Parts: sequence; structure tokens; C-alpha cells
Amino acid sequence: GAVVSQHPSRVICKSGTSVKIECRSLDFQATTMFWYRQFPKKSLMLMATSNEGSKATYEQGVEKDKFLINHASLTLSTLTVTSAHPEDSSFYICSAERDRDTGELFFGEGSRLTVL
Amino acid sequence: AQSVTQPDIHITVSEGASLELRCNYSYGATPYLFWYVQSPGQGLQLLLKYFSGDTLVQGIKGFEAEFKRSQSSFNLRKPSVHWSDAAEYFCAVGANQGGKLIFGQGTELSVKP
Repeated sequence: GAVVSQHPSRVICKSGTSVKIECRSLDFQATTMFWYRQFPKKSLMLMATSNEGSKATYEQGVEKDKFLINHASLTLSTLTVTSAHPEDSSFYICSAERDRDTGELFFGEGSRLTVL
Repeated sequence: AQSVTQPDIHITVSEGASLELRCNYSYGATPYLFWYVQSPGQGLQLLLKYFSGDTLVQGIKGFEAEFKRSQSSFNLRKPSVHWSDAAEYFCAVGANQGGKLIFGQGTELSVKP
């Protein structure tokens, strides 16, 4: 099956710093990727839709200046958490749409962010 | 409003016993329905999906799910649970085969020997 990889899988940072999380589709091109946030024991919350070559579309309530999304190529989308605070600590998961016709999604392994 | 409800937060079953995880949805259009499994600290793996046709769909790892439009449900079943099935299970609904998904709260499955 198709592979989507996230890096880093775990990151710990200090408050006020910025952290970048990468989402790569390893064996297919993805014009659309999605970023989710998952709180402990909670469901996945869609944060934004990342489209290659254009601005991301953010869900209501998600601060686009805080969570910067860039989809510069057909295989890479990045999520940058700017000026991180402890409340940003979470599990972030991306998914990539392999084929627009079938719309089949593949999920990354997730990235655990801990802000001290 | 579009939503997915998984009424059971946590279920414990004995190994070898049958399993049913409940999922109810509220969706304005024809739903595309999915079940995903997540192991601790991992991403999501697709178990099965329903788009149209036969309302009983077969998935990987011996799982199946039945779409019941009249009940707005898409319950996941397995006739005999294995210890390796212990994980978090998410039901999701979307407007098409991919794209934006709305997830349920998840059901944590524990399997006892």
C-alpha cells in the first residue's frame, strides 16, 4: 500500500519556539493533504486542508497564523507550530489523498509534540 | 449538523469472543463511511469503507461492517477477537471517497485472555 511518512515522530520544545512537522507521500503524488490534531483519548480534529501550490484552507477555530501549512511540492506538506505553548502539545496526524478520482486517503504515523 | 457518534468509549472483550462496535452518523448527503484502527502512538489504518452497493462490507483482519440507512448506523463486527485487535477504533464519514473526514470519538478495545 501507499506510504505516508511524518517526521519527526516525537519532538519536545520550549515555549516560544517554533516547530516544523513534515508529511511526505513516499510513493505517490498528493495534490491534497490534510492535517489533524488529536488530543489524548479524543477524536481527530481536522485542522486544515493543504493543497499543493496554493494556500491552505483552515477549519473554523484554527489559527492560521499559529499553524502555518505549506505544501510546496506534490510529495511534501509541512505544519509549523509557531511560538508554541504547552496547550499546543498534542498528536498531529497528516493524511494524503493519493488519487483524486478514488480519493483514497493514507495516514502518516503521527507526530507527538510536547511543549515545555 | 454533520457528526459521528461512537457511544462506547471503552469495550473489553475476551479473546475469541465476538465484537461489535457501534457507530451512528448524522449527515446531510449520501455518506461515505469508514472504519479506521489506531494502535498506541501510531497513525490510522483503514479497516474498511462503504460507498455504495452491498451494505455488508468486508475489510482487513477479519472485520466487517453493515450500513443501515434507516438507523444511520455503520457498526463494525468481528466474529472472533484476537489479542492483537486491542487498539482504538474510529468511525468516520465523508462527502466522497477521500478528502475531509469527520471522525467519531473513538472506541478503545481491550482484549482479555
